[in-house]
Amino acid sequence: GNSVTQMEGPVTLSEEAFLTINCTYTATGYPSLFWYVQYPGEGLQLLLKATKADDKGSNKGFEATYRKETTSFHLEKGSVQVSDSAVYFCALSRGSYDKVIFGPGTSLSVIP
Amino acid sequence: DAGVTQSPTHLIKTRGQQVTLRCSPKSGHDTVSWYQQALGQGPQFIFQYYEEEERQRGNFPDRFSGHQFPNYSSELNVNALLLGDSALYLCASSLTMGGNYNEQFFGPGTRLTVL
Repeated sequence: GNSVTQMEGPVTLSEEAFLTINCTYTATGYPSLFWYVQYPGEGLQLLLKATKADDKGSNKGFEATYRKETTSFHLEKGSVQVSDSAVYFCALSRGSYDKVIFGPGTSLSVIP
Repeated sequence: DAGVTQSPTHLIKTRGQQVTLRCSPKSGHDTVSWYQQALGQGPQFIFQYYEEEERQRGNFPDRFSGHQFPNYSSELNVNALLLGDSALYLCASSLTMGGNYNEQFFGPGTRLTVL
């Protein structure tokens, strides 16, 4: 079945460090891929998405590229801030008619 | 646009009781999905409603049931509560019609604690 695997946390970085959170997926067909962010005590917010191979999603300095050949969708940011501290979920879906399948989440803490 | 709203925000129940959670979708959306997020885990799909019918269901027991109303709002009911039902319950809305992919928008969730 379809599934998402992402690197385990927690990840602790100093402010302005480079961030990479690895994500790989298993899916039939051509799913859309997402990164969601969950700040402490809040619901999920869509951070970025990519709907086809080689698409790059970007938002708030975060980027991820849909790599079909490696079935990956790694999240990157060049310079993290304390306000980026949150849990990040990689996810996939075949469409709004289909469920979203989430990875287990990666907790990020950014220290000044 | 109010986005997806859920009520109540927090709820405390005891084992064996029944609970109803409510969700109002984003304006213009016709599809509602429910997810359970246990502490420290990713959300797990419970079911999805479209045109007032359950269209898809995840691996949850029949104690979990739902309903969608003509105005597209939805309820999640859980009977015979267990301690393991303690979680954040998330509602997501989306638009099925149109042919193009449309993302799901999530509400803030209802935190259910079962004692």
